[in-house]
Amino acid sequence: QKEVEQDPGPLSVPEGAIVSLNCTYSNSAFQYFMWYRQYSRKGPELLMYTYSSGNKEDGRFTAQVDKSSKYISLFIRDSQPSDSATYLCAMTRQGAQKLVFGQGTRLTINP
Amino acid sequence: GAVVSQHPSRVICKSGTSVKIECRSLDFQATTMFWYRQFPKKSLMLMATSNEGSKATYEQGVEKDKFLINHASLTLSTLTVTSAHPEDSSFYICSTYSGQGVMGGYTFGSGTRLTVV
Repeated sequence: QKEVEQDPGPLSVPEGAIVSLNCTYSNSAFQYFMWYRQYSRKGPELLMYTYSSGNKEDGRFTAQVDKSSKYISLFIRDSQPSDSATYLCAMTRQGAQKLVFGQGTRLTINP
Repeated sequence: GAVVSQHPSRVICKSGTSVKIECRSLDFQATTMFWYRQFPKKSLMLMATSNEGSKATYEQGVEKDKFLINHASLTLSTLTVTSAHPEDSSFYICSTYSGQGVMGGYTFGSGTRLTVV
């Protein structure tokens, strides 16, 4: 079993839709949870960051962490064609340097 | 924010030759750098972790003699793919870690597309 599982998609939705991206994980020691956005042939860029359980909102993006279920989510509201990218979840534990990535979900927002 | 420059962005080389990829932190000192490999439609696979002035720590299954990593300064790390073969063709990405906590501590380069012919 992989430490982090993420549905690779692809996921295609119309512009304006609400998008839900999810990851599950098996290591209960993970405390830091991140979402990265990666455009084609580019490096990942940090989108959202959450520590432990809870919600975090930044504009159209909301990150949720449920440590009891070992489940994290990223919601995108009012999705735009410019949101089309691969979204990677990543996580790490206290004191660790290495990030553990999910497989990434390819998202396409259709105009 | 922190900026990491990775060069070259694309390289094509002949089988059997070596290729060097550079990763530079432009505006901060990176105590740790990570090198990843990414296959099409796949996630980032960590290859090795390097700390300035010490030998890199390679992940299981990564050939250290094939993928030479040098982290000679706090702003520069290099990955050399030696005796490249077509199966080494991939997207290589570096990441720096500033050591200042998880949030904002990781910065990724823009990646290098290596094609071995």
